[in-house]
Amino acid sequence: SAVISQKPSRDICQRGTSLTIQCQVDSQVTMMFWYRQQPGQSLTLIATANQGSEATYESGFVIDKFPISRPNLTFSTLTVSNMSPEDSSIYLCSVEEQQETQYFGPGTRLLVL
Amino acid sequence: GQNIDQPTEMTATEGAIVQINCTYQTSGFNGLFWYQQHAGEAPTFLSYNVLDGLEEKGRFSSFLSRSKGYSYLLLKELQMKDSASYLCAVRDRGTALIFGKGTTLSVSS
Repeated sequence: SAVISQKPSRDICQRGTSLTIQCQVDSQVTMMFWYRQQPGQSLTLIATANQGSEATYESGFVIDKFPISRPNLTFSTLTVSNMSPEDSSIYLCSVEEQQETQYFGPGTRLLVL
Repeated sequence: GQNIDQPTEMTATEGAIVQINCTYQTSGFNGLFWYQQHAGEAPTFLSYNVLDGLEEKGRFSSFLSRSKGYSYLLLKELQMKDSASYLCAVRDRGTALIFGKGTTLSVSS
C-alpha cells in the first residue's frame, strides 16, 4: 500500500487561530479523504479532496471552517480555521487503493486551548 | 438513516477465539471493511467483504451477510498485541466510509 505522511504529527494551538495540516502520498492516488476522530469516538468523514476541483463536504462540515486544497495527485492540505476547544481531535487523511480500500495516514493530534 | 452498531467492549484471554459483531443499516451498500486501531495510532486495514460469505486471512476472518445487514470479525489464537479497537465501516453508495463507534478488545493472559 501507499506510504502516507502527515505534518504536523501534533500541535497545540490557541483559540481563534488556524492550522494547516499536510498529507503527502508516495504515489499518485485518485481519491483522498479527510477524517476527524474526536476523543473516544470513531472516525467521521469531513470531506473528499478532489484534484483540480472543490472538495466535497459531508453534512455538518463547511468549506469556510475546513478549507481543503488538492493541487495534485500526491498531496492535500486541510485547514482548521478559527479554532475552538471543540476542534481538539485527531485529523487523518486517507487514500483509496486497490479493491477500493482506504488506507490511513498516521494522523495529526490537535489540542486547542 | 445510516447506522452501524457494534459492541462497545469485549474481553478475552490469550489463545482464545473472539467474534466481534457488526450490524448496519445504510442507504446503499458497496462493501464492508474492518480496521484495527491501537491506542494513539491510525487505523490499519484488516479485511474487506463485498459478497456474502467468509474471507479468511491468517488468524483473522470476516463474514458478511448482506440480506441480514450483518458482519463479524473472528480473531483466533488471540495474542496480547490484539488488544485494540476494531472498527466496522460500510461504504454506502459513493466512496465515503461510514464507521461504527468501534469495539475495544482487551486480551488478558
